[in-house]
Amino acid sequence: AQKITQTQPGMFVQEKEAVTLDCTYDTSDPSYGLFWYKQPSSGEMIFLIYQGSYDQQNATEGRYSLNFQKARKSANLVISASQLGDSAMYFCAMRGPNDYKLSFGAGTTVTVRA
Amino acid sequence: DTAVSQTPKYLVTQMGNDKSIKCEQNLGHDTMYWYKQDSKKFLKIMFSYNNKELIINETVPNRFSPKSPDKAHLNLHINSLELGDSAVYFCASSPGIRANTEAFFGQGTRLTVV
Repeated sequence: AQKITQTQPGMFVQEKEAVTLDCTYDTSDPSYGLFWYKQPSSGEMIFLIYQGSYDQQNATEGRYSLNFQKARKSANLVISASQLGDSAMYFCAMRGPNDYKLSFGAGTTVTVRA
Repeated sequence: DTAVSQTPKYLVTQMGNDKSIKCEQNLGHDTMYWYKQDSKKFLKIMFSYNNKELIINETVPNRFSPKSPDKAHLNLHINSLELGDSAVYFCASSPGIRANTEAFFGQGTRLTVV
């Protein structure tokens, strides 16, 4: 069974600074995908970034980057140059091979201060 | 234009009533899901469908009955609503079940049982 752990329930970050959101996972599958989603106060789920277990390089998408440490089973999201609009809940998720679901962590709330 | 759309967005109803939430995706995906987000924001898979066939039923009470009339639609019917059913229900879809496959979410339906 897969398990996703996000240990930070809430974080504050100053505008224009970087913030790192922790995610650790547990799986016995050698092939898996890791995803991050953003859920603003309006409620929708927005896909941010993906990292594959066999990817040699860390994924990046604009101001989002993923610090993937396979041996430690961690996939931390880094948001650079935080903006007020980054205030939201962020979820780490995982899918194994031929898995009919994404499994989600408990989420981390980020509040960006002006 | 919306990729995954679900209706209604808000649903307030009394205990004991029966209600339905509709979901449609225009992405041509084979796989569709229902997730429940509880008051602590935890996202839990309820059902997964692939090509109209039920694949996952994650120990959901029998009062919840999904129906997929075709690949593009996955509706959720709930009988005899209880206070504990109050939550946000998300429909989602994906183009397959490979590990690198993200899920695309609808905007959610906030169900309040009074």
